[in-house]
Amino acid sequence: AQTVTQSQPEMSVQEAETVTLSCTYDTSESDYYLFWYKQPPSRQMILVIRQEAYKQQNATENRFSVNFQKAAKSFSLKISDSQLGDAAMYFCAYRSPRGGGSEKLVFGKGTKLTVNP
Amino acid sequence: DTAVSQTPKYLVTQMGNDKSIKCEQNLGHDTMYWYKQDSKKFLKIMFSYNNKELIINETVPNRFSPKSPDKAHLNLHINSLELGDSAVYFCASSQAGVYGYTFGSGTRLTVV
Repeated sequence: AQTVTQSQPEMSVQEAETVTLSCTYDTSESDYYLFWYKQPPSRQMILVIRQEAYKQQNATENRFSVNFQKAAKSFSLKISDSQLGDAAMYFCAYRSPRGGGSEKLVFGKGTKLTVNP
Repeated sequence: DTAVSQTPKYLVTQMGNDKSIKCEQNLGHDTMYWYKQDSKKFLKIMFSYNNKELIINETVPNRFSPKSPDKAHLNLHINSLELGDSAVYFCASSQAGVYGYTFGSGTRLTVV
């Protein structure tokens, strides 16, 4: 079974600085998808960024980028120019490429990010 | 238009009661899910449905019964509620591929 580990329960960053959230995962599959979700206090789950395992190029979305190291099974999230609105729980998640409803999203335990003004 | 809508957003009820949470998606996705987020924020899948067919049924008490009348709707009925059922329940939908899930806004269930 796949597992996702986020080793940092809490992180803090100064506004306008850069922070990196760590994520490792365990799988025997060669193809899969990885995601970072953000959950602000409103509790809405918001997709931040996604990565396909077969793509070597790291995904980027504006101030958010990932460092995907397939051999090391590592998928870290970098937030540049941190803003107060970035404060939230961040969840790393793994998904198998199988379809038909059997491809559950497996989450890490989350990292609570605080942004200090 | 809300892509995945859940009702109610908040539910406070007494132990032993039966309650339902409703979910609807207008994205045309084939697969819908129920996830439970516990007090430590851990998210765990409970059920998945694909075109009205139950696919994933994790180790969940029989008191929890999902129902999917069509592929746009997935409801969760809970019998004989217990204190330990207090949590946030998320509905989500997805399509195959690199796309992530689209989540509803969650239902905070409090059993007193």
